[in-house]
Amino acid sequence: DVKVTQSSRYLVKRTGEKVFLECVQDMDHENMFWYRQDPGLGLRLIYFSYDVKMKEKGDIPEGYSVSREKKERFSLILESASTNQTSMYLCASREPINYGYTFGSGTRLTVV
Amino acid sequence: GNSVTQMEGPVTLSEEAFLTINCTYTATGYPSLFWYVQYPGEGLQLLLKATKADDKGSNKGFEATYRKETTSFHLEKGSVQVSDSAVYFCALRESSGGGNKLTFGTGTQLKVEL
Repeated sequence: DVKVTQSSRYLVKRTGEKVFLECVQDMDHENMFWYRQDPGLGLRLIYFSYDVKMKEKGDIPEGYSVSREKKERFSLILESASTNQTSMYLCASREPINYGYTFGSGTRLTVV
Repeated sequence: GNSVTQMEGPVTLSEEAFLTINCTYTATGYPSLFWYVQYPGEGLQLLLKATKADDKGSNKGFEATYRKETTSFHLEKGSVQVSDSAVYFCALRESSGGGNKLTFGTGTQLKVEL
């Protein structure tokens, strides 16, 4: 089975800090995604990547950037964390044939 | 653009009750449709999917039929269990062009009580 691992389950950061959220998948998938999940809003796409060093903005990219230096790793970066970025962040990887998505367990980030 | 609308929760049912969670969508083209489930403290798992009109997806006693005429993909289960308590997300994926990403509904929390 595909495994998507997010490095932290819970993070607490201060306003203005630079924050890195890491995601690793073990199936050599080209496509990876970062979503944030908020009550009443569902999942919203922040960024996605379809290959190493390739990225595209999703629906809510403001305040975020991403890095994909190796195929297995997709990092989400909060350049200067703000309290409105307190959320659950979910990483996903997508299969190339039947397009199935596998999600990580999520990182619950609190910015104080 | 694409969008998915789900009924608001929480939905509270007694064990063995019948479940329906409504989902309607707006999309250009012919999307694939999905239901994902999120158990407490976990990420999302694919529950079932349908890739074309009139397809029925099914898994673990849950079913949903892709209805193009009503742009709907309602989730049903004949007899829910306490272990079905979770948040359920309806999602679509475009068939071409922007087919690289999923668009999700807002999620519906289901609570099943004894």
